[in-house]
Amino acid sequence: EVQLVESGGGLVQPGGSLRLSCVASGFTFSTYDMHWVRQYTGKGLEWVSAIDTAGRTYYPDSVKGRFTISRENAKNSLFLQMNSLTAGDTAVYYCVREKDIGDDAFDFWGQGTMVTVSS
Amino acid sequence: EIVLTQSPGTLSLSPGERATLSCRASQGVRSNFLAWYQQKPGQSPRLLIHDAFIRATGIPDRFSGSGSGTDFTLTISRLEPEDFAVYYCQQYGGSPPYTFGQGTKLEIK
Repeated sequence: EVQLVESGGGLVQPGGSLRLSCVASGFTFSTYDMHWVRQYTGKGLEWVSAIDTAGRTYYPDSVKGRFTISRENAKNSLFLQMNSLTAGDTAVYYCVREKDIGDDAFDFWGQGTMVTVSS
Repeated sequence: EIVLTQSPGTLSLSPGERATLSCRASQGVRSNFLAWYQQKPGQSPRLLIHDAFIRATGIPDRFSGSGSGTDFTLTISRLEPEDFAVYYCQQYGGSPPYTFGQGTKLEIK
């Protein structure tokens, strides 16, 4: 059974940093592209970052230069380092698997971890 | 960046009725790389449809996707009580950023 378990969320002050983690199980982690997607409270979804099997990374402009996605295949783990956080980054952050190599939909989502940026 | 606009914002129907949800893209979605997700309160999104019309594993056949280019539709042929939820479309047509629509809430009438 595929499982994605996020951790590391919490309350942080504006300008602060936070590192999210995701541990994957039930599949060969190293052979899948992985993503982080966030959801603002009660609202829509925003793609935050991606890392492919070769370690190449991708970001939208809204987080580029502030967020860094990484992976450690030996530990089946995905990370998101978030710096210079603002209130606009407050959301639930999901660890997400891309269904197949190449351009594909997101077939498994973690339960999410809440990040709150507030003074 | 491709902007996806979903309509209607809220759809009120009764169990047994047919639901038609729309997703319109600001420009053509390459190779019809469009997906639909269902999200229930307190749960993570669940993949329903990918590549515009292919049902994901385990998804009942009352869910169907159609469309191409800039106009896509999710149809639920006969609504079951468990189908009332929020539905999102997403494009993954090649290069990031991947974008989502704002969602359609399907509520019980």
